[in-house]
Amino acid sequence: KAGVTQTPRYLIKTRGQQVTLSCSPISGHRSVSWYQQTPGQGLQFLFEYFSETQRNKGNFPGRFSGRQFSNSRSEMNVSTLELGDSALYLCASRRTGETNTEAFFGQGTRLTVV
Amino acid sequence: GESVGLHLPTLSVQEGDNSIINCAYSNSASDYFIWYKQESGKGPQFIIDIRSNMDKRQGQRVTVLLNKTVKHLSLQIAATQPGDSAVYFCAENEGSSARQLTFGSGTQLTVLP
Repeated sequence: KAGVTQTPRYLIKTRGQQVTLSCSPISGHRSVSWYQQTPGQGLQFLFEYFSETQRNKGNFPGRFSGRQFSNSRSEMNVSTLELGDSALYLCASRRTGETNTEAFFGQGTRLTVV
Repeated sequence: GESVGLHLPTLSVQEGDNSIINCAYSNSASDYFIWYKQESGKGPQFIIDIRSNMDKRQGQRVTVLLNKTVKHLSLQIAATQPGDSAVYFCAENEGSSARQLTFGSGTQLTVLP
């Protein structure tokens, strides 16, 4: 069974641009969460989707948005990029909407903003 | 887990010894915990989980202990191998209404030959 797949693996963008990252969860998994990982702040929750609905959002500005499609694939978008948005963006999938179940991560997308 | 800025604790062990990685969590309502291993350049890899109605759970070469009284979690790795070198994170699910994991700052485990 394939794991969580994130594309692209690496991105370099310029300040002010926007970016879209993609996540395909494990087959049959319906919940997708996004996290930002930086050396200074560690792993921080961005948002969680289940059945195409955003159920929870972390403490990030409105420049960070996401969506989930009917096939459970998810995208996140960051607009008006800032240098501080440089990070590893991780996606995790769960089989159900129950949050006390295993969450599996993808390899992440390394975003560098210059 | 400890939601503080990142001073990353380190642990060095000899190959073949047992490792114990500790984590203090913050929310007494947390009902589910996961340990992850993250190698350089990779995403976190699920190791083992435990629910709050348990105090111990064993996997292959790993054991997680949960002490709810003092809000402490530990991961024990038996017969540590070079491939175990990585950063280890504990994550807590802060109650049934929470839909996110809160991660600790991680511990860097280095296995010495």
